[in-house]
Amino acid sequence: EAGVAQSPRYKIIEKRQSVAFWCNPISGHATLYWYQQILGQGPKLLIQFQNNGVVDDSQLPKDRFSAERLKGVDSTLKIQPAKLEDSAVYLCASSFSGRRTGELFFGEGSRLTVL
Amino acid sequence: GENVEQHPSTLSVQEGDSAVIKCTYSDSASNYFPWYKQELGKRPQLIIDIRSNVGEKKDQRIAVTLNKTAKHFSLHITETQPEDSAVYFCAASWSVGGGSNYKLTFGKGTLLTVNP
Repeated sequence: EAGVAQSPRYKIIEKRQSVAFWCNPISGHATLYWYQQILGQGPKLLIQFQNNGVVDDSQLPKDRFSAERLKGVDSTLKIQPAKLEDSAVYLCASSFSGRRTGELFFGEGSRLTVL
Repeated sequence: GENVEQHPSTLSVQEGDSAVIKCTYSDSASNYFPWYKQELGKRPQLIIDIRSNVGEKKDQRIAVTLNKTAKHFSLHITETQPEDSAVYFCAASWSVGGGSNYKLTFGKGTLLTVNP
């Protein structure tokens, strides 16, 4: 079974530049999550999709972050403009259904460094 | 929203000893408590989970206990091995918007080092 795919694995940009991360979840998984993991901390949920609808984006800094999942499959997370404090690993995860909490399957993550 | 506290932040044990990591949560409606293991530079992976209708669950050398009254749960690893060295995260689920969708809130993690 193919896992959650993410790209790029690494990205270095300067502050005020923009960046986009892509995620393809496990086939058949309706729920997709984007987490931000700052070094030494636990993953923090940015946004959760159920199919192509947003379930929760209460912790997404909407002035600079945006995410979409147009066809209910893959998803893109964008940061524009980036700040130094956005340096982190962005983890995408998927689960079979968010309606009964189950196992989250994580991708390898996209490590962002903002200089 | 949910708040999950995890202790200790670092734990060092000798190979063969036991390790215990503790978490507390704030939302009494939380009903699912997974534990994830993250090796350096790797993705978090589920190692064990427990739902609120049971008090204990065991899988070989790993066990999790849940005390709903006190709102805390713990991970127990017995006969630790060097390959158990990793960061362990607890998490608790809570309802989004009072509906039937749930999200997970993670603790800050415990760096476990098993010394040979």
